[in-house]
Amino acid sequence: AQSVTQLDSQVPVFEEAPVELRCNYSSSVSVYLFWYVQYPNQGLQLLLKYLSGSTLVKSINGFEAEFNKSQTSFHLRKPSVHISDTAEYFCAVIPDTNAGNMLTFGGGTRLMVKP
Amino acid sequence: GAGVSQSPRYKVAKRGQDVALRCDPISGHVSLFWYQQALGQGPEFLTYFQNEAQLDKSGLPSDRFFAERPEGSVSTLKIQRTQQEDSAVYLCASSLSLAGELDEQFFGPGTRLTVL
Repeated sequence: AQSVTQLDSQVPVFEEAPVELRCNYSSSVSVYLFWYVQYPNQGLQLLLKYLSGSTLVKSINGFEAEFNKSQTSFHLRKPSVHISDTAEYFCAVIPDTNAGNMLTFGGGTRLMVKP
Repeated sequence: GAGVSQSPRYKVAKRGQDVALRCDPISGHVSLFWYQQALGQGPEFLTYFQNEAQLDKSGLPSDRFFAERPEGSVSTLKIQRTQQEDSAVYLCASSLSLAGELDEQFFGPGTRLTVL
């Protein structure tokens, strides 16, 4: 079995400041890692993913996450946030077992960007 | 629209009533997933279909929960004799892939179920 922990339930930050949303996972097998974003009144959208290769992955809107196997982490970062980044962010994993691709999610982090 | 759609968007049920939640996946998507998201928590896996076959139902919380996808397209999640603890947002997601491939899961907007 696997689990995902998002250490911060809420992160308030001022516009144009940097932000880091933390994610740690636990699993007995290798995992694939994902960040999803949920804007107010919208469905979950994939933000970025790590499947293999370079441990640093980037999204089109300036977010990046780095897979750290030794620390079992996949923290999400952005050097300068915008008001429009206000949303709930979910870290998730899929185990590399070919047993079906169901996602295991963390509890979410609400990013609140203030002007 | 080409996305995943769910209906109804909101459902209020009295305790003990049966409810049916519908999911229309993206056309041609093979895999379909149901998740339950309680207030203030992350989504939790309920069940998974590959075409019409239900390959995993390990996340269904009780035998009051039943899901089907008879023609390999639209899926229905049915909850019998609803209880207050069933109140949650029910999310449906679909992906193009078979189980061995990691295609993106596209999520619908969810159905918010409130049991009084």
